[in-house]
Amino acid sequence: GDSVTQMEGPVTLSEEAFLTINCTYTATGYPSLFWYVQYPGEGLQLLLKATKADDKGSNKGFEATYRKETTSFHLEKGSVQVSDSAVYFCALSGEGFKTIFGAGTRLFVKA
Amino acid sequence: KAGVTQTPRYLIKTRGQQVTLSCSPISGHRSVSWYQQTPGQGLQFLFEYFSETQRNKGNFPGRFSGRQFSNSRSEMNVSTLELGDSALYLCASSFRDNEKLFFGSGTQLSVL
Repeated sequence: GDSVTQMEGPVTLSEEAFLTINCTYTATGYPSLFWYVQYPGEGLQLLLKATKADDKGSNKGFEATYRKETTSFHLEKGSVQVSDSAVYFCALSGEGFKTIFGAGTRLFVKA
Repeated sequence: KAGVTQTPRYLIKTRGQQVTLSCSPISGHRSVSWYQQTPGQGLQFLFEYFSETQRNKGNFPGRFSGRQFSNSRSEMNVSTLELGDSALYLCASSFRDNEKLFFGSGTQLSVL
């Protein structure tokens, strides 16, 4: 069945450092891919999405490119801030009327 | 537009009891999904409903059940609670298939 694998955390970075969180997936067909974020004390919310190969999703300085050849959707940000500290979830929605989530990666950003 | 509303926010139950959680989706959203979130397992898919029909179910025992009403509101029920059922239960709604999910704040269930 469909699955999502993302790098384990926690990831600890200093402010202004470059961020990469790896995400790979297994799916039949052509799923839509998402990154969701859960800030401390808040609910899960969409960060960005891509619906077809080579699409780049972007929001709040974060980017991720849908790579079908490597079945990947890595999340990147050029310069993280303390306010980016959160848990990040990679997810896919394909066949079967369900969205599958990765295990989540906790990010800590130090001032 | 009101967001996804889940009630209650917190629940404390003892082993063997049963519990019912409620979810009201965003107006106009007919798809409702339920997830179990635990620190070690991330978000595990429970089930998805669309127009009162369960279209998919995750790998959970039959003690976990759900339903959806004609107004798209949904409930999930857990019978014969076990300690391992302690988790945050999240409800999410969407307007279309394969579109983004809008999540509620969740119901934190503690089983003692």
